[in-house]
Parts: sequence; C-alpha cells; structure tokens
Amino acid sequence: AQKITQTQPGMFVQEKEAVTLDCTYDTSDPSYGLFWYKQPSSGEMIFLIYQGSYDQQNATEGRYSLNFQKARKSANLVISASQLGDSAMYFCAMRERAGNMLTFGGGTRLMVKP
Amino acid sequence: DAGVTQSPTHLIKTRGQQVTLRCSPKSGHDTVSWYQQALGQGPQFIFQYYEEEERQRGNFPDRFSGHQFPNYSSELNVNALLLGDSALYLCASSLEDRQDNEQFFGPGTRLTVL
Repeated sequence: AQKITQTQPGMFVQEKEAVTLDCTYDTSDPSYGLFWYKQPSSGEMIFLIYQGSYDQQNATEGRYSLNFQKARKSANLVISASQLGDSAMYFCAMRERAGNMLTFGGGTRLMVKP
Repeated sequence: DAGVTQSPTHLIKTRGQQVTLRCSPKSGHDTVSWYQQALGQGPQFIFQYYEEEERQRGNFPDRFSGHQFPNYSSELNVNALLLGDSALYLCASSLEDRQDNEQFFGPGTRLTVL
C-alpha cells in the first residue's frame, strides 16, 4: 500500500486565491512527522511546513497552513493568497519513528494563473 | 552559513560506467541522506549515513554504495550504470535523529545515462 498519496497530479489556482493540496498517509506507527516540500523547476526541495503526530494544533508558517485530520490520516496543505512564484511541484512526505527516512508522495504540480 | 551543496550539477555517463556524486551538509549537520528522483516522481530514499556508517538503506541494489567522511561530507557511488539510473540525485542533511528535524536538501545532481 502507498504510504503517502497525493491524488491531484496538477492544479490551477487564480493569483491571490487560496488553494488546498491533498495528502493522505498510511502508518501504524503512533509517532510520526509530516512534511511539505516545494520543488521549483530548478530541482531543489524547499521545506515549507512540519506537523508532528502528537501536535494538538495545526501547523502554520506564513501563508502556509497544514490541515491535519489525524483520524482520517490526512495532512492537506493550504496556501493562502497564491502568488505567481508559488507555481511549482509540491510534495508531501512522512517520517515514522521506526525509520530515519522520508517517504514522499508522487507530488502535485501547482500552476498559478495571473 | 552555507546550505547543502552538491557536485557536480549535471553528469552524462554511458551504460556500464561508474559514477561518484558528492555532498557537503549544512554547517553543523552530522547526518546525510541520499534520494533518487526519477522524472515525474517523488524522491525515493537510497540510504542515510551517520557517524561514518550507513544507518538505514532503502530498496536499492548493492550497485549503490556510499561513504561519509569525518567532516560529515558524503559520496554516493553507482556502479555498472543502467539507463534506469538516469535521475536527479538529492542529498539532504539533518542533525541527529529527531522526529521534528527538518532535512535540508541540496540542489541535486542530474545524472543522464546514455
């Protein structure tokens, strides 16, 4: 079974609007962390936001927030007030306590329209 | 404060050859992980080095090997290259094994096997 699933291969959003990128995960480990990364065409993975499995509140970092629904095993990324520079690939990733590696989803390509 | 650096940025090899990729971690980081990202996919974990030893390994054949030096820099070696090894190779560094520890990624090395 896929550990990280991103069901939206591509999405369009109008500049200045908000957009939600979906991510569902599968783990039996009670302790885990969820990450979102942005990958522009240059290739570098840029860290956006982190959510721990025991965190009581949803994580926020500037225009990025994470809608964490533990019972549904979902960790959706919300980008508010989209900008043209937000156009990129976005990856959801998980790290379980049992391992040191990040497991990535297949990514969502976000395109912001002017 | 230099981030993660990788060299070379691009590399072209032919089938059967061997290649060495290099990574210098972010200042103060002691753990290096390597990922392979095929075109249009999310990164896949190859292995992680800590204290000059391979601590964890993903589902990659023995043709993929690595090394970590006392200054924490790392090399990824791939022998007997196959066409399918063409990918972006990402190095990530982190400090200790903490659940909330962000992995900082380098810009990657794009390997093309002809």
